[in-house]
Amino acid sequence: SQTIHQWPATLVQPVGSPLSLECTVEGTSNPNLYWYRQAAGRGLQLLFYSVGIGQISSEVPQNLSASRPQDRQFILSSKKLLLSDSGFYLCASIPGGPTDTQYFGPGTRLTVL
Amino acid sequence: GQQLNQSPQSMFIQEGEDVSMNCTSSSIFNTWLWYKQDPGEGPVLLIALYKAGELTSNGRLTAQFGITRKDSFLNISASIPSDVGIYFCAGPQISSGSARQLTFGSGTQLTVLP
Repeated sequence: SQTIHQWPATLVQPVGSPLSLECTVEGTSNPNLYWYRQAAGRGLQLLFYSVGIGQISSEVPQNLSASRPQDRQFILSSKKLLLSDSGFYLCASIPGGPTDTQYFGPGTRLTVL
Repeated sequence: GQQLNQSPQSMFIQEGEDVSMNCTSSSIFNTWLWYKQDPGEGPVLLIALYKAGELTSNGRLTAQFGITRKDSFLNISASIPSDVGIYFCAGPQISSGSARQLTFGSGTQLTVLP
């Protein structure tokens, strides 16, 4: 079974600073990868998804970007953080193969001050 | 696009009571997924349903895939304090193709009182 790692677990950053959140997946190949943001412990907002290396689709216009440099690595970035970027960021993966079941990583709590 | 209406939004119950929550949609789903999220953690898959009418149990949890394929419910029997958390239903968007995106309900916040 696959395992999803997210780093860091928590992060406090000043407004205007850059951001890099990392997600890595073990135990599968060719996964679909997803970045979600969750505000106030409710509701999952899909930010980006990727069906393969270098393939990124954005769901909402925002201050963030995503990249997939390797098959099992997904990175969420920003050049300049805004206060509104604070939240709980979740990486998710659907393993390669005929399944729609999505699994989540442990999340990163981002606070922008 | 497809939407999932999840209810109730929140529940306060006494330890030992049974719990029921449900999701409905105006669209057909081919799969229903139920997740639980503990505070500060990522959602964890509880039960996956793949066939209309399917009734599946996982310990004290029971979930059913509605016959019309437009609804699903999750029951928790004899609740305990560790059942506290947010429960989400989800289903794959039929139109998402290779992206295999999920539509999520808004969540049910469960609080278990001692």
